[in-house]
Amino acid sequence: GESVGLHLPTLSVQEGDNSIINCAYSNSASDYFIWYKQESGKGPQFIIDIRSNMDKRQGQRVTVLLNKTVKHLSLQIAATQPGDSAVYFCAEPFNQGGKLIFGQGTELSVKP
Amino acid sequence: DSGVTQTPKHLITATGQRVTLRCSPRSGDLSVYWYQQSLDQGLQFLIQYYNGEERAKGNILERFSAQQFPDLHSELNLSSLELGDSALYFCASSDRVKRSPDTQYFGPGTRLTVL
Repeated sequence: GESVGLHLPTLSVQEGDNSIINCAYSNSASDYFIWYKQESGKGPQFIIDIRSNMDKRQGQRVTVLLNKTVKHLSLQIAATQPGDSAVYFCAEPFNQGGKLIFGQGTELSVKP
Repeated sequence: DSGVTQTPKHLITATGQRVTLRCSPRSGDLSVYWYQQSLDQGLQFLIQYYNGEERAKGNILERFSAQQFPDLHSELNLSSLELGDSALYFCASSDRVKRSPDTQYFGPGTRLTVL
């Protein structure tokens, strides 16, 4: 089916802690996933992507892990900062086409 | 800044009216995508254009239409507006080649309020 979903709608962490945001997908043929960050009043901002031939990809303070066996990916943010407060979406192209299917989003709140 | 620009930033109009939202993609990007974001539906794909031609369609209402011009900017036309059309409308662009997944970069959006 065509669905990308998130396990938790909200996540609250202490500044400096690590954050983990999870995402499940249903299409086992999916070969590309993207994480977006959306701050209040702004458009989704590309964070990091991963292709299905990889299990892990690291960026600046962010790591995406892909587990194809259980169709699950996660976004890890190291040393979470107040500026990381936003809604995070995972997304995948639909049937390898241009259309992106977005998960419902997880709202990350960082406590000082 | 993603490089994608959208105008206007805010739009307030009445039911039954027609509005046009404008998008300029990142320099060099040939594909433009339109998405609607509402509180109850999340981010929903509307339509995609590639180098002036319609490439894919989502759940776009018949009252909505779009086009991409030779200079690659795109316009989304919403007509016979209803209260339920109030939402954020985002444009995204990519330099997508056929059958190749590509990252889409989003503009800042247009917030449409229908009164």
